[in-house]
Amino acid sequence: GENVEQHPSTLSVQEGDSAVIKCTYSDSASNYFPWYKQELGKRPQLIIDIRSNVGEKKDQRIAVTLNKTAKHFSLHITETQPEDSAVYFCAAFSGTYKYIFGTGTRLKVLA
Amino acid sequence: GAGVSQSPRYKVAKRGQDVALRCDPISGHVSLFWYQQALGQGPEFLTYFQNEAQLDKSGLPSDRFFAERPEGSVSTLKIQRTQQEDSAVYLCASSLRQGGGNQPQHFGDGTRLSIL
Repeated sequence: GENVEQHPSTLSVQEGDSAVIKCTYSDSASNYFPWYKQELGKRPQLIIDIRSNVGEKKDQRIAVTLNKTAKHFSLHITETQPEDSAVYFCAAFSGTYKYIFGTGTRLKVLA
Repeated sequence: GAGVSQSPRYKVAKRGQDVALRCDPISGHVSLFWYQQALGQGPEFLTYFQNEAQLDKSGLPSDRFFAERPEGSVSTLKIQRTQQEDSAVYLCASSLRQGGGNQPQHFGDGTRLSIL
């Protein structure tokens, strides 16, 4: 079935450095890839998304890249700040009604 | 309302009891999803509604799980004869248009269910 793998599971960076989280998906029909930030005990919040007809999208310090041929997409956070610390989830929309989520990356930004 | 509202926020039940979890989506949103999120994991799809029609229930773990959205707005997820493995956070999400994809999902805060 559809599968989304996410790496790394934990990531620690110094404040001001960049963070990169990578996901791969198995369903070649997937066409929409959102990224969510989830703080402890809170709801997942959409931070950026990308559609399959676009290779890269940027929103201030956050960017997402998509390689359809290799079936992977990545989240890039530049100039990290302590408030970026959270769990980040990637997801792929499979083309029916399902979103398949990755297992999450716990990002810690060290002051 | 301003966002997706779920109740209760916390639910503790004894094994074997029935529970009902409520989701109030953003007004006017056509699509509604239920997810199960185990500790330290990503949300796992349970079921999808387009208005009042349940178009996909392939993620429901067993026939003890039942969801409905009778008037196309509020939805209820019911779990009968609860088991310890049902302990998780149950998330509801809604989207503006039908079909689910290519559009943002707005999540509620979830219901944390603990089965003793």
